[in-house]
Amino acid sequence: QVQLVQSGSELKKPGASVKVSCKASGYTFTNYAMNWVRQAPGQGLEWMGWLTTDTGNPTYAQGFTGRFVFSLDTSVSTAYLQISSLEAEDTAVYYCARLNYYVADYWGQGTLVTVSS
Amino acid sequence: EIVLTQSPGALSLSPGERATLSCRASQSISSRYFAWYQRKPGQAPRLLIYGVSSRANGIPDRFSGSGSGTDFTLTISRLEPEDFAVYYCQQYGSSQTFGQGTKVEVK
Repeated sequence: QVQLVQSGSELKKPGASVKVSCKASGYTFTNYAMNWVRQAPGQGLEWMGWLTTDTGNPTYAQGFTGRFVFSLDTSVSTAYLQISSLEAEDTAVYYCARLNYYVADYWGQGTLVTVSS
Repeated sequence: EIVLTQSPGALSLSPGERATLSCRASQSISSRYFAWYQRKPGQAPRLLIYGVSSRANGIPDRFSGSGSGTDFTLTISRLEPEDFAVYYCQQYGSSQTFGQGTKVEVK
């Protein structure tokens, strides 16, 4: 069955970097793009962008350019989200989700990133 | 960017009742690229409806979606205890955006 398993919670200091992983199984990884979505505390879902898994071409939503980088390693069916120069406002749960004809049909369990001094 | 506004913000209902959730877009959404998700505390969002009215795999038929243009509706015909959750609408025709969510809570 399709599964997306994300890396565990992270506690980081402001200015640090974090890399969240999303390991896919149960399907051909390169046949489906990967979506990234953020949910800050008490807020709704916010689309961050997506990444084609055959060519590795990223598309970033407004507000997620510069410090946010999507990448992948097809040899291990894993997508990554790296955030640099972390700020307190980056504290959130980050989700990966498989895109099936542009709809997010399977989601990872989420990774909590806490930025605090 | 297309802004999605969900109403109401919260809905207090009893099991067995009908729930009607609305989502209005700031501009017309073409090609039926519209979805609804359910999110329970501590769980990942679950796709319920895509393409405005198609149920995702394993979604019971008490969930239905409708609408076109700028106005969309998710209907839960008879609420089951497991349906109390937050529901998000999403458009994926022009980039992607989510609504702010409607919480369906037990009355």
